[in-house]
Amino acid sequence: EVQLLESGGGLVQPGGSLRLSCAASGFPFSGHAMAWVRQAPGKGLEWVSGISGSGGSTFYADSVKGRFTISRDNSKNTVYLQMNGLKVEDTAVYSCAKDRILGGARPHYFDYWGQGTLVTVSS
Amino acid sequence: EIVMTQSPATLSVSPGETVTLSCRASQSISSNLAWYQQKPGQAPRLLIYGASTRATGIPARFRGSWSGTDFTLTISSLQSEDLAVYFCQQYNDWSSVIFGGGTNVEIK
Repeated sequence: EVQLLESGGGLVQPGGSLRLSCAASGFPFSGHAMAWVRQAPGKGLEWVSGISGSGGSTFYADSVKGRFTISRDNSKNTVYLQMNGLKVEDTAVYSCAKDRILGGARPHYFDYWGQGTLVTVSS
Repeated sequence: EIVMTQSPATLSVSPGETVTLSCRASQSISSNLAWYQQKPGQAPRLLIYGASTRATGIPARFRGSWSGTDFTLTISSLQSEDLAVYFCQQYNDWSSVIFGGGTNVEIK
């Protein structure tokens, strides 16, 4: 059974930093690209970042480019999102998602999602 | 940047009806479109990919189709469990994916 479990969310002041983690199990982790997708309260889905299975390629939405960094540790089956320079508008539930394509090197579509971790940016 | 526009924002329906949800891309994305269903408090569920291929375990009453840059999700014989928000998502762009704003399917 595929499981994705996020952690690391919390309350942070504008300009602060947080590091999110997503522990994965139940599938060949290094064979799949992973993504972070966020959802502000009462709003729609916004793709934030993606990373290839090897970790060699990373992708970012324009809204977070230069502030967020995605990475993965395939020995720990974990993907991370380092968030720096946080803004009030970054407040959202952040979920990790598994790309359905095996061996894909870039973002596609997502067949499993975690329940998410809430990030609140407020003074 | 590709913009995905979903309409309508809200759809009020009765169980048993057939509903049609629309998603339009601002430029050609071939058939690189997925549909998701999200119920309150739950993670999104992949319904359709490749514009028309149902994901594993998705009932046949969910059908995806497209013409040019216009994509449609049709739900036949709507059941109460189908009440949810539906999102489209393009993955034609090599370096990013974009979601539509969503359509909320609610009981009339």
